[in-house]
Amino acid sequence: QSVLAQPASMSESPGQSITISCTGTTSDIGRYNSVSWYQQSLGKAPKLVIYEVDNRPSGISSRFSGSKSGNTASLTISGLRSEDEGDYYCSSYSDRATAVIFGGGTKLTVL
Amino acid sequence: EVQLVESGGRLIQPGGSLRLSCAVSGFSVITKYMNWVRQAPGRGLEWVSVLYSGGSAYYADSVKGRFTISRDNSKNTLFLQLKSLRDEDTAIYYCTKAVGNANKWFASDVWGQGTMVTVSS
Repeated sequence: QSVLAQPASMSESPGQSITISCTGTTSDIGRYNSVSWYQQSLGKAPKLVIYEVDNRPSGISSRFSGSKSGNTASLTISGLRSEDEGDYYCSSYSDRATAVIFGGGTKLTVL
Repeated sequence: EVQLVESGGRLIQPGGSLRLSCAVSGFSVITKYMNWVRQAPGRGLEWVSVLYSGGSAYYADSVKGRFTISRDNSKNTLFLQLKSLRDEDTAIYYCTKAVGNANKWFASDVWGQGTMVTVSS
């Protein structure tokens, strides 16, 4: 199974900003604007926070933003709050896998 | 209110079969692209299958030939038939609604609470 590369864990202080990276290849992130980001709190279902690289669903705070450069996508969370803690997953369509592929997830701790 | 409620998960022996259901409310299942995504205990997310509004279905290589996605329009319910189950199929199975149709199906904006499938002897 193809997996996008994410840092396993990151931590930052409340009020600060953090950027989570997601690295793929020319078969996925590099070719398609189909990058999504999900937030998953402990014991809960994932929640979509960014889709199509930089679009926020209705109800998602403007503190969440997305971008892409080449084969790497990024999720930036500004003004970190304790409720931002959780696991963050990126995803993209892959024509090599002819499927949606996910990153391994990044555990975010807000100290 | 848009809501997805999965059911059908349980403990089952390797080689067995199971059908998962996803009751849809707030929209018609036939009008949206719908997915199944799973998550093994302590692991990341894995896309399993998609059913287009037009009826075409696609699967991850890991489940191709063993799982079948379908829907019952009259019951507004999505299904996932699991056959020849293996230990590695143990996971929470989530039903999801795609953000949009056509090339907007890659993201899921509505998720159910999930149903647990445990494959073990």
